[in-house]
Amino acid sequence: GENVEQHPSTLSVQEGDSAVIKCTYSDSASNYFPWYKQELGKRPQLIIDIRSNVGEKKDQRIAVTLNKTAKHFSLHITETQPEDSAVYFCAASLGKAAGNKLTFGGGTRVLVKP
Amino acid sequence: GAVVSQHPSRVICKSGTSVKIECRSLDFQATTMFWYRQFPKQSLMLMATSNEGSKATYEQGVEKDKFLINHASLTLSTLTVTSAHPEDSSFYICSAPVGRGLDTFGSGTRLTVV
Repeated sequence: GENVEQHPSTLSVQEGDSAVIKCTYSDSASNYFPWYKQELGKRPQLIIDIRSNVGEKKDQRIAVTLNKTAKHFSLHITETQPEDSAVYFCAASLGKAAGNKLTFGGGTRVLVKP
Repeated sequence: GAVVSQHPSRVICKSGTSVKIECRSLDFQATTMFWYRQFPKQSLMLMATSNEGSKATYEQGVEKDKFLINHASLTLSTLTVTSAHPEDSSFYICSAPVGRGLDTFGSGTRLTVV
């Protein structure tokens, strides 16, 4: 089955700096890659996603890049703010062919220092 | 937007008892529901996939007789943890696909077995 590796496991940045989280996946047939933000004790919230026919997607301070050849994708957060502090998860899906199941990375705990 | 309501949010039970967790899709029909378990500071691990009108599909290593899943209608899926033990203490969360690969998550259930 699909395997998703996520790095780093923890990331501390100064407010205003950028944060980058990287994920690799094993199954080249994966075609959907969402990113979730989870605050303590809360449900994961989708913050951005990208499909395999796109190389990059941006939404205000958040961007995601996908390299299908290398099977990796990254989340970029610019101008970080204290409220960006949370755990971020990447995920990969094989789509309808696999029942739309998501395989999650191990998570990255991001701390933005004011 | 699509909402999944999950109850209870927290439950404490004694060892050996059973606990039922409910997930309801409020404004859409969920033919599929994913059930995850999340231990502290860890990622979401898929336990099983429930499908309305048919048997649930369990991931490798998940005991079917211990984690009973029922998907009785297009708006309700339940997870029952039977004969709970302290090691079953975890955060359980459901999610339903809402189209185009997107998932909507329930708010999660914090189970503590004493």
